[in-house]
Amino acid sequence: DAKTTQPNSMESNEEEPVHLPCNHSTISGTDYIHWYRQLPSQGPEYVIHGLTSNVNNRMASLAIAEDRKSSTLILHRATLRDAAVYYCILRVHFLSGGSNYKLTFGKGTLLTVNP
Amino acid sequence: GAVVSQHPSRVICKSGTSVKIECRSLDFQATTMFWYRQFPKKSLMLMATSNEGSKATYEQGVEKDKFLINHASLTLSTLTVTSAHPEDSSFYICSANLDTYNEQFFGPGTRLTVL
Repeated sequence: DAKTTQPNSMESNEEEPVHLPCNHSTISGTDYIHWYRQLPSQGPEYVIHGLTSNVNNRMASLAIAEDRKSSTLILHRATLRDAAVYYCILRVHFLSGGSNYKLTFGKGTLLTVNP
Repeated sequence: GAVVSQHPSRVICKSGTSVKIECRSLDFQATTMFWYRQFPKKSLMLMATSNEGSKATYEQGVEKDKFLINHASLTLSTLTVTSAHPEDSSFYICSANLDTYNEQFFGPGTRLTVL
């Protein structure tokens, strides 16, 4: 499986932007970049995903490098509720095709938000 | 977004007993569901892919006779930990994805403690 590399931890102050980096140098042309986050003692929550172009949604923005070997999740204004482990994952389709795929989680980045 | 529930949220059992965990998709049908386990301060590890009406696909190193998966309907998958031992104590999480969505929906998790 294609792997991702993230910093173990990052710290931010409340209401400041946060840039969470992810390296995925072995990404293939059909791999989507997904971001999920996990709050303590909860299941993961989808944040955003993209393929080649930068993406925005109500939660965050995803900036993808032109060569797709890295990406950055951007939280525009961090809040205390954003404190979580953020996972950058390459979505690999089942060999049989279709829309089902599985996610392989790495270690993620533990984001701490200071008040 | 779609909702995935798990039951129970927490279970404590004696060593040697079997424990069943349910995963339900509440407002959509899921032909495929996934089961993960997570040890404290560790990442999620995919255990198996649950396929409605057919046998589950287990990841390498996961004992299929130990972790029985049944996906008898389009909204329910169950994971039974047979003859549980203290080393099976973990956080078990299920997920499902929809054909029309690109995100995977996770349940809130089940905390299993084996005494």
